[in-house]
Amino acid sequence: ETTLTQSPAFLSATPGDIVHISCKASQDIDDDMNWYQQKPGEAAIFIIQEATTLVPGIPPRFSGSGFGTDFTLTINDIDSEDVAYYFCLQHDSFPWTFGQGTKVELK
Amino acid sequence: QVQLVQSGSELKKPGASVRVSCKASGYTFTNYPMTWVRQAPGQGFEWMGYINTNTGNPTYAQGFTGRFVFSLDTSVSTAYLQISSLKAEDTAIYFCARVGEVATGVDYWGQGTLVTVSS
Repeated sequence: ETTLTQSPAFLSATPGDIVHISCKASQDIDDDMNWYQQKPGEAAIFIIQEATTLVPGIPPRFSGSGFGTDFTLTINDIDSEDVAYYFCLQHDSFPWTFGQGTKVELK
Repeated sequence: QVQLVQSGSELKKPGASVRVSCKASGYTFTNYPMTWVRQAPGQGFEWMGYINTNTGNPTYAQGFTGRFVFSLDTSVSTAYLQISSLKAEDTAIYFCARVGEVATGVDYWGQGTLVTVSS
């Protein structure tokens, strides 16, 4: 089973900041990494697919990078709309596994 | 637009059963597998397995065999998760999520259903 270690668990940012969320896999998963945004009471939204591809309709301030074992979600010019819980998912091998999530708040 | 709408919260006693529904719309239901994910209180997500919506064949992750059953009613584009012999540790939010195109992973999520097991 591939373990995903996501960090930080909590992030407090100032509007306009650039923030980075990391997800490290315990084994090579190529680019089979997705990122999601979840707001309380709402369905999670797919934001980054295959590690680096922005899902259509997602603002370009979101970006993903990485390959193999180390992945990063970056939010440029963060604003109030981005306050949410973010999590990663690896779909390289069964069982699919998730990062523990990052709660992003604004100062 | 693709939507997955889940049934409402449930409160059950230990030993009872529960069925969570996930109604899909906005796409051809049988073209995309459906996966189920559990999020226990204060915990991360756990992948429970998936069901092939074309054949009805389920695949269960380790730890989700026996008491957990995935099923379908393709006539109403709905997937179901049934949990029997409920235990307190089954208390969680259960999500359905569509598996996207080949090698995409999950692309759409339901809003989640809270199942609380308490005497």
